Amino acid sequence: DQQVKQNSPSLSVQEGRISILNCDYTNSMFDYFLWYKKYPAEGPTFLISISSIKDKNEDGRFTVFLNKSAKHLSLHIVPSQPGDSAVYFCAASEAGNTGKLIFGQGTTLQVKP
Amino acid sequence: GAVVSQHPSWVICKSGTSVKIECRSLDFQATTMFWYRQFPKQSLMLMATSNEGSKATYEQGVEKDKFLINHASLTLSTLTVTSAHPEDSSFYICSAQTQLYGYTFGSGTRLTVV
Repeated sequence: DQQVKQNSPSLSVQEGRISILNCDYTNSMFDYFLWYKKYPAEGPTFLISISSIKDKNEDGRFTVFLNKSAKHLSLHIVPSQPGDSAVYFCAASEAGNTGKLIFGQGTTLQVKP
Repeated sequence: GAVVSQHPSWVICKSGTSVKIECRSLDFQATTMFWYRQFPKQSLMLMATSNEGSKATYEQGVEKDKFLINHASLTLSTLTVTSAHPEDSSFYICSAQTQLYGYTFGSGTRLTVV
């Protein structure tokens, strides 16, 4: 059972435009969510996180939105840059930033110059 | 910031042999270490959770006798793939968890069993 789902395997965006990556989850006990960027044969790089007590968190070009009632979160990247091209994973935990992380399947983002 | 050093970054081994992967937390102590596996174009799947000084907790479907995890100190956790077979070829990643730094991932190990 996939508790964290990223239904879009890939996304292509023009440089300078907004990238929106989506993530859905089924476990209502998740209370902490993270987004990671990953290149092949490398470990994930942390981008941004959000606690379930919030509905938005912003850090520079990255903003994460959380809709608990819909069990949905999204990552917005504005403006998108070619260097943002990578695989993006959302992850969730039941125990804040101390519990095991459950990852989505990933979305490959391509930002075209 | 916190750094987890993972070695080796890649390894090729013969079928039937064992391979050890090490993860060291540099300049911080990691009470908890998570081990993940990623097959090509798939998600990072949690294999097990290890806490220093105690037995690892394995996820459903992960063979504990095949994937031996040792977390004998607060700065070192190891994963040994015993009697490796080609289907064990994958990308293995560790992640140290601390209250202060949250989750810190290693750089991963690409295992190829031939």
